[in-house]
Formats: sequence, structure tokens, C-alpha cells
Amino acid sequence: AQKITQTQPGMFVQEKEAVTLDCTYDTSDQSYGLFWYKQPSSGEMIFLIYQGSYDEQNATEGRYSLNFQKARKSANLVISASQLGDSAMYFCAMRELFRPPGNTPLVFGKGTRLSVIA
Amino acid sequence: GAVVSQHPSRVICKSGTSVKIECRSLDFQATTMFWYRQFPKQSLMLMATSNEGSKATYEQGVEKDKFLINHASLTLSTLTVTSAHPEDSSFYICSARDLHGYTFGSGTRLTVV
Repeated sequence: AQKITQTQPGMFVQEKEAVTLDCTYDTSDQSYGLFWYKQPSSGEMIFLIYQGSYDEQNATEGRYSLNFQKARKSANLVISASQLGDSAMYFCAMRELFRPPGNTPLVFGKGTRLSVIA
Repeated sequence: GAVVSQHPSRVICKSGTSVKIECRSLDFQATTMFWYRQFPKQSLMLMATSNEGSKATYEQGVEKDKFLINHASLTLSTLTVTSAHPEDSSFYICSARDLHGYTFGSGTRLTVV
């Protein structure tokens, strides 16, 4: 079963506008972590934002904010004031906890390709 | 912040040869290193988890004899693609746990011709 679902293969946004990238997750754990990464064409994985399952407030990092709705198991990324440089693949990921401490890899969604239009 | 240096960034090799990819943690000790593979326009798929001083744990469907992982020290993990074939052409990227989360290498684009 897919743990992380990103239903938007591609998104377009006008420069300076805000955009929301969807992410839903599936876990039976009470304690987990949710991450968003940006992957430009160079391939590097750039960490954007993190939300812990027990965090009561939505995470924010500059122009990035995470709309965390625990009951709905969703962790949508909001990018405000989009810039041309934001064009990239965006991956939602979850830290699974069924493995021993220290051996908890990230599980990734299929990603959303964001294109910012001038 | 934590840095994982991954080399080479690009490699082209002939079919049947072996390729070694290195990931070094530069300013922290990486007890555990995760190796991912990413085919074009697809997501990152976990291949294996390597732990310093012990055998790697491979995900289902990943051939351990083909993708040799060595984690001999707390700062170095290597992935060797043995007898590479064109279908092994992919983007390989490593990731280590650090104090604040996960640090990724810059990735290796492997092309087997």
C-alpha cells in the first residue's frame, strides 16, 4: 500500500502567486515525521520543511508552510510568492518508525512537478 | 550544517563493468546510510540500508550480489554496481541521518552503454 500519495503530477503557478502541493499519508504509528524536499533538475535533494506528528502548530520556513491536518492525514505544502527558481520536483516524505531506532529511512511520494510561469 | 559528499556525480560505463559510488559524511558520523535509486521522472525508491560494521539490509527485489554495499567506517559508505547493464542506468543517491533530520548526497547519474 502506498504510504505517501501526491495526486498532482504537475502544477503551474503564476510568478508571485501562492501554490499548494498536496500530500496525504498512511500510517498506523502515533509518532512520525513528515518532510518536504525540492529536487531541481540537478538532482540534489533540498530540504524544505518538517512537521512532527505531535507538533500542534503548522511548520513554517520562510515562504514555505505546511498545512498539517492530522485527522485527514494530510500535509500539504504551501509556497507563497512563487519565484521562477521554485520550478522543480517536490517530494513529500514520511519517516517510518517500524524499524529499530536509527534505521528509519524516508519513504517518498511520487512527486509533483511545479512550473512557475513569468 | 551536515554534509554528505557523493562521488562521482556522473559516470558512463560499458556494459559488464563495475562502478563504485562513494558517500562520505564530512562533519558528522553516519552510523546509518540509506541508498536510493531514482528512475527518470519517478520517485526515490529505497534500495538498501547500510550500517557501519555490519551487513546491509536490502529491500525486496534488490539484488544484493549486484548492488554491493560497504559501510566500513562511520564516515564512508560505498555502493558498487557490479556487472552493470543498461537497465541499471539510473540516478543513485545516498542519505544519512544527522542530528536534525536527513542529509542527502548530491547523487550519481549512472549511464551504462
